[in-house]
Amino acid sequence: QVQLVQSGAEVKKPGSSVKVSCKASGGTFSSYAISWVRQAPGQGLEWMGRIIPILGIANYAQKFQGRVTITADKSTSTAYMELSSLRSEDTAVYYCAREDSNYGTIDYWGQGTLVTVSS
Amino acid sequence: QSVLTQPPSASGTPGQRVTISCSGSSSNIGSNTVNWYQQLPGTAPKLLIYSNNQRPSGVPDRFSGSKSGTSASLAISGLQSEDEADYYCAAWDDSLNGFWVFGGGTKLTVL
Repeated sequence: QVQLVQSGAEVKKPGSSVKVSCKASGGTFSSYAISWVRQAPGQGLEWMGRIIPILGIANYAQKFQGRVTITADKSTSTAYMELSSLRSEDTAVYYCAREDSNYGTIDYWGQGTLVTVSS
Repeated sequence: QSVLTQPPSASGTPGQRVTISCSGSSSNIGSNTVNWYQQLPGTAPKLLIYSNNQRPSGVPDRFSGSKSGTSASLAISGLQSEDEADYYCAAWDDSLNGFWVFGGGTKLTVL
């Protein structure tokens, strides 16, 4: 059974950075891409970027280019998403999710991490 | 402004059949398969349909998906109160270096 377990809620000041972790278990971590998707309060889902751990290659949504960094540690089956220059509009629940390229789908999701940006 | 277009709301009474539409373009739905997610309040999205019309294990056959050209639909038959949730469509977009796109979500109310 694939599980993605994320780090806990964060409260950050505007202008600071946040780093959220996502530990995978129950599957072959390196073989699947991990995406990060956020959801602002009362809003829809927004894709931020992804990484393919076996290649160590990440690509990002244009909106977040230069502000987001996604990394992965194969030794601990953990992916990370760091967002910098935080502003109030970044207040959201951040999800990591596993992609299965065989079926062109995002199939498993983490439980979500609430990041609150407030002065 | 989401790349994929969904109606913001839908409703039905128990036992009815409802459909939710999702409209995209040639670079996403027109080129790749469509996924549907159900999100209950306060929880992470759950995969409902993948590869346009396939159900993961455990998803009731009341849920079905279809795709034609650059549009897709989710149908829910025999509507139940526990189906009240937000529903999202998603597809890979081949533009630029490629990225995932989502619909804005449809809030389904069971009357």
